[in-house]
Amino acid sequence: QLQLQESGPGLVKPSETLSLTCTVSGDSIRSSAYYWGWIRQPPGKGLEWIGTVDYSGSSGSAYYHPSLKSRVAISADASKNQFSLKVNSVTATDTAVYFCARQVQTGSLGRGNFDLWGQGTLVTVSS
Amino acid sequence: DIVMTQSPDSLAVSLGERATINCKSSQSVLYSFDNKNYLAWYQQKPGQPPKLLISWASTRESGVPDRFSGSGSGTDFTLSISSLQAEDVAVYYCHQYSSSPLTFGQGTKVEIK
Repeated sequence: QLQLQESGPGLVKPSETLSLTCTVSGDSIRSSAYYWGWIRQPPGKGLEWIGTVDYSGSSGSAYYHPSLKSRVAISADASKNQFSLKVNSVTATDTAVYFCARQVQTGSLGRGNFDLWGQGTLVTVSS
Repeated sequence: DIVMTQSPDSLAVSLGERATINCKSSQSVLYSFDNKNYLAWYQQKPGQPPKLLISWASTRESGVPDRFSGSGSGTDFTLSISSLQAEDVAVYYCHQYSSSPLTFGQGTKVEIK
């Protein structure tokens, strides 16, 4: 049974880097049918797509929300069946529950809906 | 960016009655080359991740009760719950995956009247 599990620090200081890892079990991140994405949800608010990595080829291609592109990096490690998120120069507005999710490949450039999600992890940005 | 606007923001429906949620996109999410609407609906219960209910505007995911149905095309979409059950209390989101950046509606909270 496919499972995704986020891990990483729950508290990050302003201006530092937020780093999260998603461990995938029950499927391979090399699957040609799926991308792997990150979505966040500020407390009490809606969902925001952060970015997506495509590891179905020999190396990962990543696609990002334009508003976050300058601060975000998503990578993948096939040997560990994990993908990771880094957000630089965080502020209080980056406080959110961060979800990793499997994304059905429905087109190029990281497009697709999210059919399976991790439980999410709350990251608070505070000194 | 394609802006997704849901209405209403919240609604209260009696058990067994129909709940209807609307979603409007600022641009069409219908692709002419495959005639598919790149629109999904999710259900999120408190403390849980979103759950995919419907993809391609009207295709129910495996295991989703048939009281949930999606309709619409182009820019206007609807999620209906034909007979509301207590376990359907949640926030529902529409989501377009036709173009990047992928975007979501603001959510509609469904409660029991």
